[in-house]
Amino acid sequence: EVQLVESGGGLVQPGGSLRLSCAASGFTFSSYWMHWVRQAPGKGLVWVSRINSDGSSTSYADSVKGRFTISRDNAKNTLYLQMNSLRAEDTAVYYCARDRDGMDVWGQGTTVTVSS
Amino acid sequence: QSALTQPASVSGSPGQSITISCTGTSSDVGGYNYVSWYQQHPGKAPKLMIYDVSNRPSGVSNRFSGSKSGNTASLTISGLQAEDEADYYCSSYTSSSTLLFGGGTKLTVL
Repeated sequence: EVQLVESGGGLVQPGGSLRLSCAASGFTFSSYWMHWVRQAPGKGLVWVSRINSDGSSTSYADSVKGRFTISRDNAKNTLYLQMNSLRAEDTAVYYCARDRDGMDVWGQGTTVTVSS
Repeated sequence: QSALTQPASVSGSPGQSITISCTGTSSDVGGYNYVSWYQQHPGKAPKLMIYDVSNRPSGVSNRFSGSKSGNTASLTISGLQAEDEADYYCSSYTSSSTLLFGGGTKLTVL
């Protein structure tokens, strides 16, 4: 079964850091671009970042550029999002998604809460 | 990076057809045929319904169709069913090599 499982969310103070993980299974992870998308409580989807299949190219939304870093370990079939200098407005459910003609596979999401 | 513009809500009765618009600019929707549509039920992850403007993934009902004219893309749902009630989001590739989502549209089946 094709599956993405996020982990690493939690409560963090403003200015703190957190690393999210997304474990992939059921498909050849190293062949696909991957994305992070977030959704603040009661709000819409917001694209955060993407990485190409071998990790050599990345892209970020302006709101997280310089603070977040996307990476992947194809040997471990895992996608990461390192989040630094966290702000209250980063509070959201974070989803990882596979890119294959659109984001065709999504994880269940992991919740990040930034609060003192 | 402003969100693509979608109506906040649309509604229709069972069996009817509805259309949701998604307006961007020549730097995103109008410039590329990389518009996707996603359905999201409350508390669930989004589901891909349309990719590359008008293509349906395997398993998605042919009641869902997509199109584009200029800077505006559209999602049409025909033969509305109760299970279609959900939030719908468009997304587009942009000239900055990023992706942009619309603000989302809440579909109510009356």
